Amino acid sequence: GENVEQHPSTLSVQEGDSAVIKCTYSDSASNYFPWYKQELGKRPQLIIDIRSNVGEKKDQRIAVTLNKTAKHFSLHITETQPEDSAVYFCAASRVVTGFQKLVFGTGTRLLVSP
Amino acid sequence: ETGVTQTPRHLVMGMTNKKSLKCEQHLGHNAMYWYKQSAKKPLELMFVYSLEERVENNSVPSRFSPECPNSSHLFLHLHTLQPEDSALYLCASSQGPSGYTDTQYFGPGTRLTVL
Repeated sequence: GENVEQHPSTLSVQEGDSAVIKCTYSDSASNYFPWYKQELGKRPQLIIDIRSNVGEKKDQRIAVTLNKTAKHFSLHITETQPEDSAVYFCAASRVVTGFQKLVFGTGTRLLVSP
Repeated sequence: ETGVTQTPRHLVMGMTNKKSLKCEQHLGHNAMYWYKQSAKKPLELMFVYSLEERVENNSVPSRFSPECPNSSHLFLHLHTLQPEDSALYLCASSQGPSGYTDTQYFGPGTRLTVL
């Protein structure tokens, strides 16, 4: 069945460093790849997404890259800040009977130390 | 933070109880979802409703019963649960059913503990 692998499971960086989280998906029909940030005790919130017709997208300190051939996509956070500390989830998605079916990775706990 | 709301935020129930979780979305969306979030596991899709019709039932035990009376409200009825059902239950909504620009917005979740 559909599967998304996410690495690493935990990531500790110093403030100002860059952080990279990588995901691999199995369903070649996936066409939409969102990233969610979930702070402790809060809801997952979309921070950036990319569609299959785009190879890279950037929004201030956050960027996402997609390699469709290899079925890899990655989240890049530059100049990390303590408030970036959270669990980050990647997802791969395709349209199924009129809705986007998201398959999530297991999450990466990012800790940014001051 | 009022786009998708869930009540209650916390629920403790015994295995013989019957309870319901409620989700409401104020975004004018047509698709609503129930997810289960357990520690160290990916978010698991449980049910999807699109235009008030159930379009996905992801092999969920019958002790979980969803209800979608209209496009703004979604319920998850619980009965005779097991301790392993303890988890955070998240509701989400999306524009649907067009699909292509279908970002999902999550509610804050209900933390369920089954004793």
